[in-house]
Amino acid sequence: DQQVKQNSPSLSVQEGRISILNCDYTNSMFDYFLWYKKYPAEGPTFLISISSIKDKNEDGRFTVFLNKSAKHLSLHIVPSQPGDSAVYFCAASATLGSNYKLTFGKGTLLTVNP
Amino acid sequence: GAGVSQTPSNKVTEKGKYVELRCDPISGHTALYWYRQSLGQGPEFLIYFQGTGAADDSGLPNDRFFAVRPEGSVSTLKIQRTERGDSAVYLCASSLMIRVVPDTQYFGPGTRLTVL
Repeated sequence: DQQVKQNSPSLSVQEGRISILNCDYTNSMFDYFLWYKKYPAEGPTFLISISSIKDKNEDGRFTVFLNKSAKHLSLHIVPSQPGDSAVYFCAASATLGSNYKLTFGKGTLLTVNP
Repeated sequence: GAGVSQTPSNKVTEKGKYVELRCDPISGHTALYWYRQSLGQGPEFLIYFQGTGAADDSGLPNDRFFAVRPEGSVSTLKIQRTERGDSAVYLCASSLMIRVVPDTQYFGPGTRLTVL
């Protein structure tokens, strides 16, 4: 049973436009969420995180939004650049208990076209 | 500074053989994690070390899998009697683990294991 779901396997956007990647979770104990970016033949690289006490966290071109009631989060990239093309993983953890254990979604392949 | 390194980058073995996968964490990181990423899936947690001890090995799929970290730095993931279903990318990550809240895990490039 997938506790973190990324229902879009792929997304294609034009350079300069907004990329929106979505993630849903089912486990109510999750209260810390992260996005990782992965290039081929490399390990995942941490991008941005958000705690459940917030509904938005911004870092440069990247913003993560959290809707706790809907158990939904999204990553916005504005403006998108060709170098953003990668697989993006959503991950979650529960700070009470096993806060070190990340549960990942299956990932979304983002392609930014020049 | 150096990131997390993993060796070998690729390992091809035959069904039934024994393999060892090595992870060198970032210097000074006390926490070390192993994940497995099967084709088309996200990474799945296997085991977590705090120092030398395995604090949580609940993700290891069965008793063919074992991991050690004898000196609190380098870790080795050991798989006995490999099966074709063990084929995956094995990712290692490390973190400082000095706070109660989750801290950032830094991943290595992974070892791609193929069991023929």
